[in-house]
Amino acid sequence: DAMVIQNPRYQVTQFGKPVTLSCSQTLNHNVMYWYQQKSSQAPKLLFHYYDKDFNNEADTPDNFQSRRPNTSFCFLDIRSPGLGDAAMYLCATGSGRGEQFFGPGTRLTVL
Amino acid sequence: QQQVKQSPQSLIVQKGGISIINCAYENTAFDYFPWYQQFPGKGPALLIAIRPDVSEKKEGRFTISFNKSAKQFSLHIMDSQPGDSATYFCAASLRSGGSNYKLTFGKGTLLTVNP
Repeated sequence: DAMVIQNPRYQVTQFGKPVTLSCSQTLNHNVMYWYQQKSSQAPKLLFHYYDKDFNNEADTPDNFQSRRPNTSFCFLDIRSPGLGDAAMYLCATGSGRGEQFFGPGTRLTVL
Repeated sequence: QQQVKQSPQSLIVQKGGISIINCAYENTAFDYFPWYQQFPGKGPALLIAIRPDVSEKKEGRFTISFNKSAKQFSLHIMDSQPGDSATYFCAASLRSGGSNYKLTFGKGTLLTVNP
């Protein structure tokens, strides 16, 4: 099945220790998104790629960065995780018709 | 500024009943309105969606009603089942060039369907 895959599903890191989350897609969509979702809240867009063009949301902290080496893969790097960065991180792809398809998410715990 | 307002925040329905979730938007440039269903610990799943030139769309037990003049849309779940218990997000999509869209989400509705 065509899918959005995220690894790992659960990530535990220490305060200040860099962490990388990965996303891959088999949908061949040219748009990929990273969202942060905290408990009982809606997903919050961090940034997105339109092909290789990177678009950062104005309120996304500098602590968050992203890489997209090719159409299929996208990475979220958190340089110095703080306790407030503990959340579910969701990757999504865009079909070009307004729909977005989400992966299962990575639950990040910061100790 | 929240551009998509969703209500109620939580909803309890008996099995077999009708669940209704309402959303209102402000930006008339939105051109696509999806609903997402999210179970605990999972990513949101696209449930059903509508374009503003259509007043109603039905897929199985799920129906979207859309009122363009009132800038409101709603999700109706007929014959609600315990397995429908989840958080539902309405969203509105805005095209920002080419095939690049951004979603604005409502705050979500936690639906509980009692057996």
